[in-house]
Amino acid sequence: DTEVTQTPKHLVMGMTNKKSLKCEQHMGHRAMYWYKQKAKKPPELMFVYSYEKLSINESVPSRFSPECPNSSLLNLHLHALQPEDSALYLCASRYQLTSAGTDTQYFGPGTRLTVL
Amino acid sequence: DAKTTQPPSMDCAEGRAANLPCNHSTISGNEYVYWYRQIHSQGPQYIIHGLKNNETNEMASLIITEDRKSSTLILPHATLRDTAVYYCIVRVAGSGAGSYQLTFGKGTKLSVIP
Repeated sequence: DTEVTQTPKHLVMGMTNKKSLKCEQHMGHRAMYWYKQKAKKPPELMFVYSYEKLSINESVPSRFSPECPNSSLLNLHLHALQPEDSALYLCASRYQLTSAGTDTQYFGPGTRLTVL
Repeated sequence: DAKTTQPPSMDCAEGRAANLPCNHSTISGNEYVYWYRQIHSQGPQYIIHGLKNNETNEMASLIITEDRKSSTLILPHATLRDTAVYYCIVRVAGSGAGSYQLTFGKGTKLSVIP
């Protein structure tokens, strides 16, 4: 199973709502990532979890709150978002390809978020 | 990680080879060249990677120049399903489950034309 799943596929929320995005992988990967992608732009890293601990936060506003409850699950809690936060949110997990340390990331299909 | 430069867009006729260039003139000796692609509204997908030798897999071939300052991704027989944005990324390898993030540039939008 080389799949990263993300739910929901689409989410529309108001600026006062609280919602969560969910990401799941059952490949035993111990590093997981959240990226944000605006239209016609490349993905931008938001957070990295390594062994269920937050290791990188790319200066993301506190209205985005990541959580890694276990090695298979990654959540992104959303609260008081702004319309400019509307984007595709991608989750990925890291897989080591070779003993030299080269690796790849498996990406989920993303959650398309619209903030009204 | 070294910076990369790619043309913003390219066209390729269906059935022909698509050759996507990438310049990485500041690449370090321990940095690998990775290629990913992103089909519209999907997550990026790993294609291939290499250090200095040419590489081939079931999806593509990667040609890296001898000085390693540039590379070319080759899709030997492009199909309509290969229409996507292709990203060339240069970064170090690492061991364990460290925080080895990907930094995406603007990529090349490849359009395969019937």
